[in-house]
Amino acid sequence: EPEVTQTPSHQVTQMGQEVILRCVPISNHLYFYWYRQILGQKVEFLVSFYNNEISEKSEIFDDQFSVERPDGSNFTLKIRSTKLEDSAMYFCASSLLNTEAFFGQGTRLTVV
Amino acid sequence: DAKTTQPPSMDCAEGRAANLPCNHSTISGNEYVYWYRQIHSQGPQYIIHGLKNNETNEMASLIITEDRKSSTLILPHATLRDTAVYYCIVRVGSSNDYKLSFGAGTTVTVRA
Repeated sequence: EPEVTQTPSHQVTQMGQEVILRCVPISNHLYFYWYRQILGQKVEFLVSFYNNEISEKSEIFDDQFSVERPDGSNFTLKIRSTKLEDSAMYFCASSLLNTEAFFGQGTRLTVV
Repeated sequence: DAKTTQPPSMDCAEGRAANLPCNHSTISGNEYVYWYRQIHSQGPQYIIHGLKNNETNEMASLIITEDRKSSTLILPHATLRDTAVYYCIVRVGSSNDYKLSFGAGTTVTVRA
């Protein structure tokens, strides 16, 4: 069964450092998403991406965040200068047009 | 965006049916009801969705009231592995996008 894969499963980084979280969406999907979940809190939408551009982003997704689809298979989330409050689980998801989204297992980001 | 209301928690006996209610009284005519679950901080897992008619798949059944103001997710024979947080979500955004707005969900504990 096709699945969304995310790497790494756990990333520890120092405050102020740049971090890139990687995702390989399901191969024929067209829409790509990043969500995050701070420990003990709700899953929050960050950004959606379609046709090589951002289609929607939340207030959380400020100038410190960026997304990219550098090739035909990867979808990345970059945080330029990490803060302690960026510590969370980050989930990538993908979907076809007008269908349910499938989520990866997440990357646990710990900023120290 | 239509909001949903779910009970914060419920218990269920293993092997019995689990009926998870959801209220969405402000749902509009073209909004779907989606159900996802999250097992212990893993990525959210799609379960089922529907618009007006009742739906069934290999995981669950979805019963939507005629006025569409509420719905019930039914897990026909709950197992210990069904212990998870269950989210009822009314799809937001345009028909070409799939932003999901997660609430607190219902924490379902299946007991032996």
